[in-house]
Amino acid sequence: NAGVTQTPKFQVLKTGQSMTLQCAQDMNHNSMYWYRQDPGMGLRLIYYSASEGTTDKGEVPNGYNVSRLNKREFSLRLESAAPSQTSVYFCASSESVRDRGGYGYTFGSGTRLTVV
Amino acid sequence: AQSVSQHNHHVILSEAASLELGCNYSYGGTVNLFWYVQYPGQHLQLLLKYFSGDPLVKGIKGFEAEFIKSKFSFNLRKPSVQWSDTAEYFCAVIFPLNFGNEKLTFGTGTRLTIIP
Repeated sequence: NAGVTQTPKFQVLKTGQSMTLQCAQDMNHNSMYWYRQDPGMGLRLIYYSASEGTTDKGEVPNGYNVSRLNKREFSLRLESAAPSQTSVYFCASSESVRDRGGYGYTFGSGTRLTVV
Repeated sequence: AQSVSQHNHHVILSEAASLELGCNYSYGGTVNLFWYVQYPGQHLQLLLKYFSGDPLVKGIKGFEAEFIKSKFSFNLRKPSVQWSDTAEYFCAVIFPLNFGNEKLTFGTGTRLTIIP
């Protein structure tokens, strides 16, 4: 089925370790996003990519880096994981940042990350 | 600052009761509005959206929402809830950013528990 695929689904890291969360979409969407979801705080935008070749910071970018590898893929990297980065991470895509005719944003199933 | 508020953090209802979840945003310009639902262990799914036109929007599963511009509100309603509506509900708003970009900002969510 078409959609947004995230890997891995679960991950446990030790403080200071690094890892990359992968995201791929097969809907030919221009824009992709990374959010983190924490209890009582909703979803907060970490980084987004309005189109292939561009990336911009969202609300909570500190401690993260991103790469828009091509139109399909948008990865999120934690260089030195901290317990404060324990969260559920969602990747999303939309036809364009100015998505006014489609179905809004399509979300992946999430990555549950625990940093100990 | 642009923000989205959901004042009901946890709502408990009996089956067949009527539902109204509040959502307010702070921004004086044109916005696009969404309600997403997240069932336990699942990713976000779009319930309904408002871009323009009739301020009463009907979505999936019998949900509807009314955009009241003068009150900066987009409340979600359902006349008769079912046990299967137990989930977390997120209001989201597209706010403008610099250079013609926009971002989807979420409220903190409302956890809805339906008692059989």
